[in-house]
Amino acid sequence: AQTVTQSQPEMSVQEAETVTLSCTYDTSESDYYLFWYKQPPSRQMILVIRQEAYKQQNATENRFSVNFQKAAKSFSLKISDSQLGDAAMYFCAYRDYSGTYKYIFGTGTRLKVLA
Amino acid sequence: GAVVSQHPSWVICKSGTSVKIECRSLDFQATTMFWYRQFPKQSLMLMATSNEGSKATYEQGVEKDKFLINHASLTLSTLTVTSAHPEDSSFYICSARGGLAGESTDTQYFGPGTRLTVL
Repeated sequence: AQTVTQSQPEMSVQEAETVTLSCTYDTSESDYYLFWYKQPPSRQMILVIRQEAYKQQNATENRFSVNFQKAAKSFSLKISDSQLGDAAMYFCAYRDYSGTYKYIFGTGTRLKVLA
Repeated sequence: GAVVSQHPSWVICKSGTSVKIECRSLDFQATTMFWYRQFPKQSLMLMATSNEGSKATYEQGVEKDKFLINHASLTLSTLTVTSAHPEDSSFYICSARGGLAGESTDTQYFGPGTRLTVL
């Protein structure tokens, strides 16, 4: 069965600095999707970035980028120029390419941004 | 981007009563919707997957008779917590698989959640 691990329960970053959140996963599939979601205090889950496993190029969305290492089954999120509004829980999620479309979530990383 | 709404955002009920939570995809059709439960400071726990016009598929350990799910249309799914008890108090989140026209349907878009408190 697939698993997703986020080994950092909590991270802190100074405003305007860069922080990297870690995510590893385990799967025997070759095609799948990976996501990072942000959950601010409002608890609304917001899609940050998605990556298709068949694409070697790392996904980027403005200040957010990923380091996707397929062989190592690693999918880290880098937040550049951190802003106070980036403070939230961040969840890494995995989805098989086909099948039930279910997500498997990691346990989350709480990011604090220090002014 | 694609928007999913949930109603109500917060509900308080007495033990033994039933509560219905609605999940709507506002600007896209969602063939698949998901219902999650989230305890404080924890991750999302998938309860069930619902496909329009068919019975929901429940995750192991989730009581299907207690958590009734109906996916009557491509834009609406409902979760009814029957005979609610204090241990059912939680944050319930729905999501819909899909996207705006021309977008990939590989992504889940989440509703804002419903906080249920059972007294």
